[in-house]
Amino acid sequence: GAVVSQHPSRVICKSGTSVKIECRSLDFQATTMFWYRQFPKQSLMLMATSNEGSKATYEQGVEKDKFLINHASLTLSTLTVTSAHPEDSSFYICSATTSGGVTDTQYFGPGTRLTVL
Amino acid sequence: AQSVTQLGSHVSVSEGALVLLRCNYSSSVPPYLFWYVQYPNQGLQLLLKYTSAATLVKGINGFEAEFKKSETSFHLTKPSAHMSDAAEYFCAVSERGAGNNRKLIWGLGTSLGVNP
Repeated sequence: GAVVSQHPSRVICKSGTSVKIECRSLDFQATTMFWYRQFPKQSLMLMATSNEGSKATYEQGVEKDKFLINHASLTLSTLTVTSAHPEDSSFYICSATTSGGVTDTQYFGPGTRLTVL
Repeated sequence: AQSVTQLGSHVSVSEGALVLLRCNYSSSVPPYLFWYVQYPNQGLQLLLKYTSAATLVKGINGFEAEFKKSETSFHLTKPSAHMSDAAEYFCAVSERGAGNNRKLIWGLGTSLGVNP
């Protein structure tokens, strides 16, 4: 149980285009989802936290107009990288919890490798 | 703000040897601590978590961690390493974020290599 999927697993796009990444909780309802960015050989950097039906909360330094997050249902959250540039190339990972509580386990998707040419 | 320090970006052990991955935290309130593992080309998977119950926490794949408040540590151990344990290991502490959300503060990770 507690499976989270991400689609696509890998995407290559041209500079200036927008890319949408989907995160789905397959067998549970995720009231809270998280989006992370991971650079090679580094830890995870939290980008934003989203609750179903409300606006995402972005971490300091993350541009909300560039990284659009939509948590439209209890099983789906999307991250859209708008007007992507080569510096946006990274590994994007989502996670989901049932309530976002203190001891709630975050269940992670397998990640999406974005390469912007 | 809370923080997590993982000592040693890379640890290498022989197969069958003890695995010890170190994690220290700083927190002004009772912490909730997690260890996650990331196998190559896969997502993160929860190994174990400490939620203020027993100080010795047993996880999956033979791993365990002991919460020591006096040392502000939550080191991860496994008595006998297996080749399949080679992966990236992350320690994290739960912190209150905006609103009622909680978020994880992550260590930089430790890459575990297992030699035959």
